[in-house]
Formats: sequence, structure tokens, C-alpha cells
Amino acid sequence: NAGVTQTPKFQVLKTGQSMTLQCAQDMNHNSMYWYRQDPGMGLRLIYYSASEGTTDKGEVPNGYNVSRLNKREFSLRLESAAPSQTSVYFCASRDPQGQPQHFGDGTRLSIL
Amino acid sequence: AQSVAQPEDQVNVAEGNPLTVKCTYSVSGNPYLFWYVQYPNRGLQFLLKYITGDNLVKGSYGFEAEFNKSQTSFHLKKPSALVSDSALYFCAVRDSPSNTGKLIFGQGTTLQVKP
Repeated sequence: NAGVTQTPKFQVLKTGQSMTLQCAQDMNHNSMYWYRQDPGMGLRLIYYSASEGTTDKGEVPNGYNVSRLNKREFSLRLESAAPSQTSVYFCASRDPQGQPQHFGDGTRLSIL
Repeated sequence: AQSVAQPEDQVNVAEGNPLTVKCTYSVSGNPYLFWYVQYPNRGLQFLLKYITGDNLVKGSYGFEAEFNKSQTSFHLKKPSALVSDSALYFCAVRDSPSNTGKLIFGQGTTLQVKP
């Protein structure tokens, strides 16, 4: 049982390049989330998908787009990467009814 | 707006001593509160949650947390710390009464347990 799987684990980009971060969960969860983690700032929500077919902005959506491809997969796209988007990105999923979110191991992204 | 504060960037404790990691929150309505732990180069792992019921919540790895409504706090505790407990700890609160499950996280507290 893999839980939440994120690919790639590490990536270095140049400013202006585009990239898609992949996330898949095998727990049949309805809701999925993308966060970024920066030192001293905790985790901030970028986008979320409450259910298949829906996506909504979180706290810091600028510069990102998402796609909920199916119930399992939720991808995050950087169209034109900027150094301010250097961060660790986490995907999470959740069952309803107040259950905790389950997190992947993250994608460490550096933008030069 | 919902918010969470972890007032200590780092907590240092000797192995075998009790530990407390502090968290205060601000919510409208009833709080759904969570504690997560993050080990280096890993994702967040769920420790425990409070939704309703007893104010003392027991969780994984011997951790517990005390919900205090009057002080709007949800401090994480453990009676006897282990070196392996050294990690980054996050408190979180569910954002808004909706069922989207969005969480608002504190900035994190690094726990250092020394032998």
C-alpha cells in the first residue's frame, strides 16, 4: 500500500521553464491537496480538489495550475518557473468526515 | 479567519524528561485540531486529532495532546522523550466549517531531544 506517491523527488529548473509535478494516491480518497513548505512558514495551501472534477484555489495559487486527472491523480503545473517558487512541494489526500490528511514525501524543487 | 500559532521555533529537552510543544488556535465555531510530525526528507505523518469528546487525546508513538477551550490551546505532550522523537512538529486546524478538509498549519516547532 503506497499511500500518496509524488514524482519526481528532486528537480532543478531554470527560470522560465515549465514543469508538472505528479501526485497519485491509492486510498480511494475524494479530496486532494497541494502545499508548499518554506522555512519558518509551515505549509501553505496552493490548490485543492474536494472531489474528482473540481479544483479550487488555496492561499498561494499565483504561478500555479492544477489538474485533477481522475480520482487517483492530482498534478501541479508551473508554467513559467520563478526563483520564488523554489520550495518543497507536498501532495496530500483525505477521506471525508474529519479524517486526517495523508502526505507524500515531497518534491524538492530548485529554480535557478 | 482561522489561524494557528506555535510560539516556539525550537524546544530542547533531555531524553527521559517530559516534553511539551505548544499550539494556540483561533477559529470560528468548533475546532478540528491536528498534530503532525515531519522527519528529515519525509512527508508529514499524522500523530493525533481532536474533534470532540475528551480533552486529552492520545495518539501515535506515546504522544498525547490536551485541548483547552478557554485558553484556545492544543499542546502536544509526551511523558518521557526519546532521542528518536527529534523532528519538526506541526499543529494544524481545519479551515472553516465546510467539509473541504483544508488545513491551516502553524509554522512548525523543531524538537531536539538530547541523550
